[in-house]
Amino acid sequence: GAGVSQSPSNKVTEKGKDVELRCDPISGHTALYWYRQSLGQGLEFLIYFQGNSAPDKSGLPSDRFSAERTGGSVSTLTIQRTQQEDSAVYLCASSEGRQPQHFGDGTRLSIL
Amino acid sequence: SQKIEQNSEALNIQEGKTATLTCNYTNYSPAYLQWYRQDPGRGPVFLLLIRENEKEKRKERLKVTFDTTLKQSLFHITASQPADSATYLCAGILSGGYNKLIFGAGTRLAVHP
Repeated sequence: GAGVSQSPSNKVTEKGKDVELRCDPISGHTALYWYRQSLGQGLEFLIYFQGNSAPDKSGLPSDRFSAERTGGSVSTLTIQRTQQEDSAVYLCASSEGRQPQHFGDGTRLSIL
Repeated sequence: SQKIEQNSEALNIQEGKTATLTCNYTNYSPAYLQWYRQDPGRGPVFLLLIRENEKEKRKERLKVTFDTTLKQSLFHITASQPADSATYLCAGILSGGYNKLIFGAGTRLAVHP
């Protein structure tokens, strides 16, 4: 079946603009995660959604970052007033409960 | 802070040899360790999971060990092939928590013909 899908695959924007990144998880997966991967670095946890529970936002680096998950499926990660240090690959993953995570191929975000 | 550390230097080996990658953890005790493979421009792909009460896990040419005394996991690829060339990520999960992973930065493996 289809895997985790992320869009856009690449995004270039000017500093100060807002960006919205989208994630379509695997159908039926109740858990959804966002990570950030900077060049040569490991994955940095951003936010976690599980069913109808309140999301764990403990990894969001600032209040410019927010995320939503509508209807328990599609998720969007929004970055407001982007800064150059926001440049990274943003990865989304989904899982069924505590099973291993399935990742999308990410959105490569470049802030000019 | 909780940390997963992997050798940042690339590992270069000859085809047919066994590749061994190291993962060390500090300041926490993961109940599970997972290993993922990541190819350039792609997301990580899950390979193996090992629990703290398991010493060793195997899957085809892959073998993972978990030593809670040394706070270390070793990942082995036997009879390595050029197609095994990729970055390998180690990630830990705490017991009782949900599936929140703490990742290492990964080790790049290059298998030469």
